[in-house]
Amino acid sequence: SQKIEQNSEALNIQEGKTATLTCNYTNYSPAYLQWYRQDPGRGPVFLLLIRENEKEKRKERLKVTFDTTLKQSLFHITASQPADSATYLCALSGGSYIPTFGRGTSLIVHP
Amino acid sequence: DAGVIQSPRHEVTEMGQEVTLRCKPISGHDYLFWYRQTMMRGLELLIYFNNNVPIDDSGMPEDRFSAKMPNASFSTLKIQPSEPRDSAVYFCASSPRTSLNEQFFGPGTRLTVL
Repeated sequence: SQKIEQNSEALNIQEGKTATLTCNYTNYSPAYLQWYRQDPGRGPVFLLLIRENEKEKRKERLKVTFDTTLKQSLFHITASQPADSATYLCALSGGSYIPTFGRGTSLIVHP
Repeated sequence: DAGVIQSPRHEVTEMGQEVTLRCKPISGHDYLFWYRQTMMRGLELLIYFNNNVPIDDSGMPEDRFSAKMPNASFSTLKIQPSEPRDSAVYFCASSPRTSLNEQFFGPGTRLTVL
């Protein structure tokens, strides 16, 4: 069955450093991969989408890579700030465009 | 636009009672989704609608769950009878036809069944 894996352990980093979150998947050939941010008590918020034929995408301090051979996406936040602390979910979708979500990784940026 | 609106934000009920969750999608969005989020299972898709028509309800856990979308601006998710294992946060999300990959989530309804 399709499986999306995100590190269940929280990632703790110091302000100003680059945060890197990982999303691995198996038994899946997604055409699209998305990253969402979720704050406590709120719904997920869409951040970025990357297509299978794109290797990398950037938006301000965010960078996403998509390696279909490794079946992995990396999500980077450069110059991290305490306000970046949240849970980050990756989601995969195929031809139907309907995403399947991973369980998310919590990021904590310490001042 | 106010975004996706859900009500109530919190619901506490007793086992066996009927629960109705409500959602107003973003105006102009063709797709509406209902999700359930728990620590154990993460964010699960329950059902989604396209132009008010249910397309895929394979995620609905059992017959106790039902969803309707009587018009483009309103949807309900009903649980009857409710059970303690239904306790979770239920999210409604909507998407425009031109960007299905980007979903706009509501604030969620935290349901506790005692």
